[in-house]
Amino acid sequence: GAVVSQHPSRVICKSGTSVKIECRSLDFQATTMFWYRQFPKQSLMLMATSNEGSKATYEQGVEKDKFLINHASLTLSTLTVTSAHPEDSSFYICSALAGGPRNEQFFGPGTRLTVL
Amino acid sequence: SQKIEQNSEALNIQEGKTATLTCNYTNYSPAYLQWYRQDPGRGPVFLLLIRENEKEKRKERLKVTFDTTLKQSLFHITASQPADSATYLCALASYGNNRLAFGKGNQVVVIP
Repeated sequence: GAVVSQHPSRVICKSGTSVKIECRSLDFQATTMFWYRQFPKQSLMLMATSNEGSKATYEQGVEKDKFLINHASLTLSTLTVTSAHPEDSSFYICSALAGGPRNEQFFGPGTRLTVL
Repeated sequence: SQKIEQNSEALNIQEGKTATLTCNYTNYSPAYLQWYRQDPGRGPVFLLLIRENEKEKRKERLKVTFDTTLKQSLFHITASQPADSATYLCALASYGNNRLAFGKGNQVVVIP
């Protein structure tokens, strides 16, 4: 099946710093990728839709200037958490949409962000 | 408001029995519904997709039903095994886009 990777798998940073998370589709091209955030015991919450070659579409309540998304190629999307604060600590997961009629999203393994 | 509800209590089940999970939704008109498996600290893994005009889908030991009148999907794991222990998420997608809305998930524990 299709494989999506994320890097890093976990990161600890100081408050006020920026953190970049990479999402790669390893064996397929994805014009659309999604970024989710998941707090403990909670559902995955969609943050934004990342489209290759165009601006990301953010969900209501998600600050686009805080969560910068770049989808520069058909296999790579990046999420940068700018000026991170402890409340940004969470599990960030990306997914890549496979083409065709199956509408499958393949998820990455997630990135655990801890902001001190 | 839109809601996707899954049972918050873990389902403990004896090995070999059938586990049945429920996903109820309100104020959605989904084009399709998906079920995922998520292990602790990992991303979700796709299991099954069922469209709004389909009643039932099967894949190996898994079966999903979709009742758009009741606004409910049932997810069955037959002949359950300890390796099936995980959290199972349902997710809905609306017409015209592939944005998924997830339930909180329902944990399954298969007891040997």
